[in-house]
Amino acid sequence: AQTVTQSQPEMSVQEAETVTLSCTYDTSESNYYLFWYKQPPSRQMILVIRQEAYKQQNATENRFSVNFQKAAKSFSLKISDSQLGDTAMYFCAFMKGRWSQGGSEKLVFGKGTKLTVNP
Amino acid sequence: EAGVTQFPSHSVIEKGQTVTLRCDPISGHDNLYWYRRVMGKEIKFLLHFVKESKQDESGMPNNRFLAERTGGTYSTLKVQPAELEDSGVYFCASSQGDRSSYNSPLHFGNGTRLTVT
Repeated sequence: AQTVTQSQPEMSVQEAETVTLSCTYDTSESNYYLFWYKQPPSRQMILVIRQEAYKQQNATENRFSVNFQKAAKSFSLKISDSQLGDTAMYFCAFMKGRWSQGGSEKLVFGKGTKLTVNP
Repeated sequence: EAGVTQFPSHSVIEKGQTVTLRCDPISGHDNLYWYRRVMGKEIKFLLHFVKESKQDESGMPNNRFLAERTGGTYSTLKVQPAELEDSGVYFCASSQGDRSSYNSPLHFGNGTRLTVT
């Protein structure tokens, strides 16, 4: 079974600075996808960024980028130029590839990291 | 477009009672998922509907949980009888068509916070 570990329950960062959230996962699959989701206080969870395991190039979405180390099974999220609106719970998630044996559409989540951006 | 809506937003019930949670997905989304987050733990998958059919219900914890999606539109998740360990936040999510969740990302609702006392 796949597991996702987020070792930082809480983090804080000053506005305009850079912060990195860590995520490691355990799987024997070669075909899979990784995601970072963000849940602001009292709001819906939304997708921040996603990565296909077979792509070596790290995904980037504006101020958000990932450092995907497949051999180390690490998928960290870097937020540059942090803004007050980045304050949220961040969840790392894994999904087995659709064409893997027993492939499923279900996400396996970590416990989350609560990020606070301070003014 | 309207997002995924869940009702109620909060529910407090006593052990042994029944509760029904409702999820209205985004119109036209065939895929509907239920997830649950128990306090301090990971968000866990419960089940996946494609239209009105249960595609994967491997995450349903036991037979006290019953999910339905009549007509392939909204879904309900009934807990009967509720136990203390059922407390948590129940999330619903939807996505389009038969494409992989990678290419058609999930849209989540705000969740229903269930407290069983």
